[in-house]
Amino acid sequence: QKEVEQDPGPLSVPEGAIVSLNCTYSNSAFQYFMWYRQYSRKGPELLMYTYSSGNKEDGRFTAQVDKSSKYISLFIRDSQPSDSATYLCAMSEGNTGFQKLVFGTGTRLLVSP
Amino acid sequence: DAEITQSPRHKITETGRQVTLACHQTWNHNNMFWYRQDLGHGLRLIHYSYGVQDTNKGEVSDGYSVSRSNTEDLPLTLESAASSQTSVYFCASSEGQGLEQYFGPGTRLTVT
Repeated sequence: QKEVEQDPGPLSVPEGAIVSLNCTYSNSAFQYFMWYRQYSRKGPELLMYTYSSGNKEDGRFTAQVDKSSKYISLFIRDSQPSDSATYLCAMSEGNTGFQKLVFGTGTRLLVSP
Repeated sequence: DAEITQSPRHKITETGRQVTLACHQTWNHNNMFWYRQDLGHGLRLIHYSYGVQDTNKGEVSDGYSVSRSNTEDLPLTLESAASSQTSVYFCASSEGQGLEQYFGPGTRLTVT
């Protein structure tokens, strides 16, 4: 079983829809949770970064962490065609010194005009 | 603007050949990483470096090596390329604990 599981999609929605992207994980030591966005044939770019449980909002994007369920979500409101990309979740134990990121396989999102 | 670049962007090589992929960053970051990205596996860490003269193995390091002689560069060498090493390779860099990583554009490597 992988440490981080993510549905590969594709997830197809019409413009303006609310999108929910999710990851589950098995390592209860993960404390830092990130979402990266990757456009086709480009490198991933960091979207949002949260520590422990709770919500974090940035514009149209909301990241949610439920450590009791080992489940994280990224919500996109008023989705736009420019949001079409692959979304990768990543997690880390975050102890002192470098801690490696463990990535999900990514969910491909398609937003149609 | 600071950036991270990779070269070449595309490479085709034959089985058994030595291949070196370049990574150069102008962020002045201490931490640098190499990942490979494959369908069904996501990003997997190959090697990483905390700073000059420091290198460490990641989860899929067999058949790869790195060296860090300055802050800006972390070249990745495939000692004897194998078809299983056909993949897209990403270099990344970060400061601090390495949680916020900045990725390069990737190198698409095909081993025939």
